[in-house]
Amino acid sequence: EAGVAQSPRYKIIEKRQSVAFWCNPISGHATLYWYQQILGQGPKLLIQFQNNGVVDDSQLPKDRFSAERLKGVDSTLKIQPAKLEDSAVYLCASSQAGTGYEQYFGPGTRLTVT
Amino acid sequence: AQSVAQPEDQVNVAEGNPLTVKCTYSVSGNPYLFWYVQYPNRGLQFLLKYITGDNLVKGSYGFEAEFNKSQTSFHLKKPSALVSDSALYFCAVRPLDSNYQLIWGAGTKLIIKP
Repeated sequence: EAGVAQSPRYKIIEKRQSVAFWCNPISGHATLYWYQQILGQGPKLLIQFQNNGVVDDSQLPKDRFSAERLKGVDSTLKIQPAKLEDSAVYLCASSQAGTGYEQYFGPGTRLTVT
Repeated sequence: AQSVAQPEDQVNVAEGNPLTVKCTYSVSGNPYLFWYVQYPNRGLQFLLKYITGDNLVKGSYGFEAEFNKSQTSFHLKKPSALVSDSALYFCAVRPLDSNYQLIWGAGTKLIIKP
């Protein structure tokens, strides 16, 4: 079974530029999550999708971040414009629907904003 | 507020000795409990979970965790540590009234010395 795929793995941009991250979840997983992880900290949920609908985006900075999940499969997370404090690892995870199921994570995208 | 505490930022253990990484939580009801591991420059990997039943659950790589309801704890254990176990370990809790979302601990860095 293929895992969660993310690209790119690394990205360096200047502040005020835009960037996009892509995630392909495990086949059949209805729930998809985007997290932001600052070095040395636990993951912070940015947005959660159930199929192609948003379940929770309360911690997504909507003035600069946006996300979509086309057709309930792949997802993209965009930052425009980027700020220095956006430097972090962006993790995508997916899980089967249901409270007892664990989340499976992709390798992450390390973003550096200079 | 609901929270997860990992009281030790770092745990140092000699190879071959038993290890324990502590986790306590403050969540209403009977939540689901998870442990994840993160190796350098990698995404998080699921280790094990407690849903119901036996208080001692076994997971990947020889790890196990003990659930204690009265102490609201879910400590991660391994009888004999390996140098390759050195990584960052996260405890996570899913309240039953959440939309499958996890409350994460801050992480514990485990260092196994040869």
